[in-house]
Amino acid sequence: DTGVSQDPRHKITKRGQNVTFRCDPISEHNRLYWYRQTLGQGPEFLTYFQNEAQLEKSRLLSDRFSAERPKGSFSTLEIQRTEQGDSAMYLCASSQIDPYQETQYFGPGTRLLVL
Amino acid sequence: LAKTTQPISMDSYEGQEVNITCSHNNIATNDYITWYQQFPSQGPRFIIQGYKTKVTNEVASLFIPADRKSSTLSLPRVSLSDTAVYYCLVVLNNAGNMLTFGGGTRLMVKP
Repeated sequence: DTGVSQDPRHKITKRGQNVTFRCDPISEHNRLYWYRQTLGQGPEFLTYFQNEAQLEKSRLLSDRFSAERPKGSFSTLEIQRTEQGDSAMYLCASSQIDPYQETQYFGPGTRLLVL
Repeated sequence: LAKTTQPISMDSYEGQEVNITCSHNNIATNDYITWYQQFPSQGPRFIIQGYKTKVTNEVASLFIPADRKSSTLSLPRVSLSDTAVYYCLVVLNNAGNMLTFGGGTRLMVKP
């Protein structure tokens, strides 16, 4: 499978714990995006990387959230001191820069439940 | 980014053609139109994208009139497995920008 992969697919944690999610983009895609989706809503942008540089962050990305893409390949999203409001599906997408039409391809998501 | 408006829900029957129209009155010159499909508990799946006129692939067709203020996703001969949420997005060309999803259209295909 050469698509975007995410790990874990599901995570249950207790409030106050830290969690880390991993995303492996499509090989050679230089852009990587993180989104969050709550029940009944469309995905919301969190942040994106071009290669290893984090170029944009949404105001949704509080200080408890941090994302990295150290070698320009896989990325991690860490949430510190989780809150119940962090319960959501966390989606990763990747794309290749295209001068005409960039297409983002999404992974299966990581569903987080904070108890 | 141009705001999009699409029906909240649609019903159809197996074997019918389904057309979902999206309006994007404020679309800019460099924007293009992208449609995604999403099943419960899965990530959005890219369906089709285009800039103007008509685009067709193995899954769907996308019709964009000359003024580009709307677009129509056409799904031929839907099956039960096409029951999903369909999102219309207007994307700024090569901006490296976030996708802005609206509420999408919930398509229910009945037997």
